[in-house]
Amino acid sequence: DTAVSQTPKYLVTQMGNDKSIKCEQNLGHDTMYWYKQDSKKFLKIMFSYNNKELIINETVPNRFSPKSPDKAHLNLHINSLELGDSAVYFCASSLSGSSYNEQFFGPGTRLTVL
Amino acid sequence: ILNVEQSPQSLHVQEGDSTNFTCSFPSSNFYALHWYRWETAKSPEALFVMTLNGDEKKKGRISATLNTKEGYSYLYIKGSQPEDSATYLCAFVPGGSTLGRLYFGRGTQLTVWP
Repeated sequence: DTAVSQTPKYLVTQMGNDKSIKCEQNLGHDTMYWYKQDSKKFLKIMFSYNNKELIINETVPNRFSPKSPDKAHLNLHINSLELGDSAVYFCASSLSGSSYNEQFFGPGTRLTVL
Repeated sequence: ILNVEQSPQSLHVQEGDSTNFTCSFPSSNFYALHWYRWETAKSPEALFVMTLNGDEKKKGRISATLNTKEGYSYLYIKGSQPEDSATYLCAFVPGGSTLGRLYFGRGTQLTVWP
């Protein structure tokens, strides 16, 4: 059983389109995260939710909007996609928002904007 | 912006060699330090979460030490094997930061040659 899953794994789309990436965890965790891996493979936090409440909201364009329908899901919606949005996006979860808890990462979604 | 430095950036060793690399972080206001192992085409996996000065953690042939007063952590791999080839990331958590907010370094890429 996959602990943290993301769909789709690959996403190729045109500039200006709107797309969503879904994340689900079956670990019973109550905190979930979205990271962006930039071109230099650097992991940057974008958002985190704890019990469906937004906790971390880094400086990202407001075209990016996370949505957490329940504790097990955190989706990422991106409006008006731009070339610079091309990256690998990782979802993660942890038992609680405590920074003492390790984070479990999904397999990543490679987004390519043409 | 927090400075979390990892060195070296990359490392090539022969099978059987022991190796170590460094994560440097601000020595003031320490809360926690995470180590993750990231194999190519996979997702990061937690190795250790370290919280106390002088902490030593071990998992098989991999161990880590922590010096919060001088702001560094070492990761050691004894008798490296080709399957140890991966990027090793550290992530610093300062005191007072938002729960779950990790500041990642850029990683040390280890290649173990058979």
